[in-house]
Amino acid sequence: GNSVTQMEGPVTLSEEAFLTINCTYTATGYPSLFWYVQYPGEGLQLLLKATKADDKGSNKGFEATYRKETTSFHLEKGSVQVSDSAVYFCALSRNYGGSQGNLIFGKGTKLSVKP
Amino acid sequence: EAGVTQFPSHSVIEKGQTVTLRCDPISGHDNLYWYRRVMGKEIKFLLHFVKESKQDESGMPNNRFLAERTGGTYSTLKVQPAELEDSGVYFCASSQVSSGRSEQYFGPGTRLTVT
Repeated sequence: GNSVTQMEGPVTLSEEAFLTINCTYTATGYPSLFWYVQYPGEGLQLLLKATKADDKGSNKGFEATYRKETTSFHLEKGSVQVSDSAVYFCALSRNYGGSQGNLIFGKGTKLSVKP
Repeated sequence: EAGVTQFPSHSVIEKGQTVTLRCDPISGHDNLYWYRRVMGKEIKFLLHFVKESKQDESGMPNNRFLAERTGGTYSTLKVQPAELEDSGVYFCASSQVSSGRSEQYFGPGTRLTVT
């Protein structure tokens, strides 16, 4: 079946450090891939997405590339800020006709950035 | 534009009682999804409405859970009778039906505690 595995947290970094959160997936066909972020006290927000192999999603300095050969979608940021402290979720979805299917999430990785 | 809203934000009930969660999607969004995150585990899909019809309810855990979306607007999720393992955060999301890769917008979630 479809599944997402992401690195366990928590991850604690100093400000301006480099961030990588690993995510691999198992899916049939060609899923779309997502990173969602949940800031403290808020709901999930889409951070970035990629819909086909070799696509790179990017937003707010974060990037992730859809790698079909390694079934991965690792999240990276070159220089984290305190305001990036949040829980990050990797997810995939299958697409059915005109509607997006349900999202399948990883367990989430809590990131804490210290000044 | 108002986002996805959920009510209540937090509910504490005793085992055996009934609780009804409400979700108001973004106006004009035909897709509505329910998810939940049990402590320490992944966010899991529960079900998907397209307008008032249940497109996919494969994630509903058992018949103690009943979801409705009368008129294709807001949705309710009733748990009757509640059990301890139902504790968690219940998220609602909505998206437009026209695009197969449209973003799901999430509400802030309802934290349910069953004691």
